[in-house]
Amino acid sequence: AQSVTQPDIHITVSEGASLELRCNYSYGATPYLFWYVQSPGQGLQLLLKYFSGDTLVQGIKGFEAEFKRSQSSFNLRKPSVHWSDAAEYFCAVVVESSYKLIFGSGTRLLVRP
Amino acid sequence: DAGITQSPRHKVTETGTPVTLRCHQTENHRYMYWYRQDPGHGLRLIHYSYGVKDTDKGEVSDGYSVSRSKTEDFLLTLESATSSQTSVYFCAINPSGTASSTDTQYFGPGTRLTVL
Repeated sequence: AQSVTQPDIHITVSEGASLELRCNYSYGATPYLFWYVQSPGQGLQLLLKYFSGDTLVQGIKGFEAEFKRSQSSFNLRKPSVHWSDAAEYFCAVVVESSYKLIFGSGTRLLVRP
Repeated sequence: DAGITQSPRHKVTETGTPVTLRCHQTENHRYMYWYRQDPGHGLRLIHYSYGVKDTDKGEVSDGYSVSRSKTEDFLLTLESATSSQTSVYFCAINPSGTASSTDTQYFGPGTRLTVL
């Protein structure tokens, strides 16, 4: 069965530092992968998505993610974190032909001033 | 803004009472979804709909029913609420009118439900 693992429950970084959030998936075919962000008390906002082609995808708010098939990973990165990036981040994969998203359990990002 | 509203935004109810949550969209999208969000679990799919009167179960459908009598509204009902259904409920839409796994889902603002 398809699954998504986000191994880090919490991550704390200093403002201005770089960030990498990990995501691993289990899926037999070509995955369709997403990163969403959820600010406190808010709904989910799409950051970026990967369907095919270039394995490095750019998203909103200066985020990027790299698809690595050999490692079954889709890690999210940002070169310099801003205090407003403090939020919870979710990785997700589409179950092919079912239009259903499978989510990871999320990583909460805290930003130190 | 995907034109999705959810009502109510907050609700407190007692065990055993029926509860209905409403998801309303303004763009006549075919696909609509209900998720619940719980700490440590991310979002889990409860039910989804692929058209008026066309619905199917997700991974955590026990204790929930849905209805879609109009394209714009997707209702989630807890027939007899239990404390384990205390959660934040999100509605989502898929803007595609065709069957494609690559389409993106967009989420509503959520409903926080507390069952005492």
